Amino acid sequence: DAGVIQSPRHEVTEMGQEVTLRCKPISGHNSLFWYRQTMMRGLELLIYFNNNVPIDDSGMPEDRFSAKMPNASFSTLKIQPSEPRDSAVYFCASSSLRTTGTFYEQYFGPGTRLTVT
Amino acid sequence: AQSVTQLGSHVSVSEGALVLLRCNYSSSVPPYLFWYVQYPNQGLQLLLKYTTGATLVKGINGFEAEFKKSETSFHLTKPSAHMSDAAEYFCAVSHPANQAGTALIFGKGTTLSVSS
Repeated sequence: DAGVIQSPRHEVTEMGQEVTLRCKPISGHNSLFWYRQTMMRGLELLIYFNNNVPIDDSGMPEDRFSAKMPNASFSTLKIQPSEPRDSAVYFCASSSLRTTGTFYEQYFGPGTRLTVT
Repeated sequence: AQSVTQLGSHVSVSEGALVLLRCNYSSSVPPYLFWYVQYPNQGLQLLLKYTTGATLVKGINGFEAEFKKSETSFHLTKPSAHMSDAAEYFCAVSHPANQAGTALIFGKGTTLSVSS
């Protein structure tokens, strides 16, 4: 299996521009997670989906952030407009939901390093 | 609410020495516990996990961790450090009985440095 795939790996953009990050989960996984990692705040959960439906988006910092999962094999995280404080590494992870309601372990993608100047 | 505390943001050991990375959790019920490792410029990789059963769990690369309910701890150990173990390590917890599904709660991470 190719694992979780994220693109682009690096993104440099100017303040005010729209940024779209992409994620392809592991085939067969039905849960997908978006995380943000910074030196100051560590690893933060932004949003997660079960069966393409957003379950918890309480970690999304502002209305400038939005995420979609149109099908089981693709998700996007969009920032519009971007700001310098959005600079971070964004990780996507996928997992499967057990029948008991909790998850099997999560598998992480390599991340997208975003720099907003 | 669940939380994870990793004691020590940075741990330094000599090659061949014991590695001990500390993790304490807060949870109203016994949680599922995980250790992940992150090498520079890479994503997180699962080292080991505890869900049920034996409280001493073995993972990849010679690491192991013991779930101690009385101490609410899940410390990560390795008898002999190798230079390749230098990385950042994250402890994480999830709630095993949430019908809606529960995402992982991560600790702040501990950076392990190994000197020759």
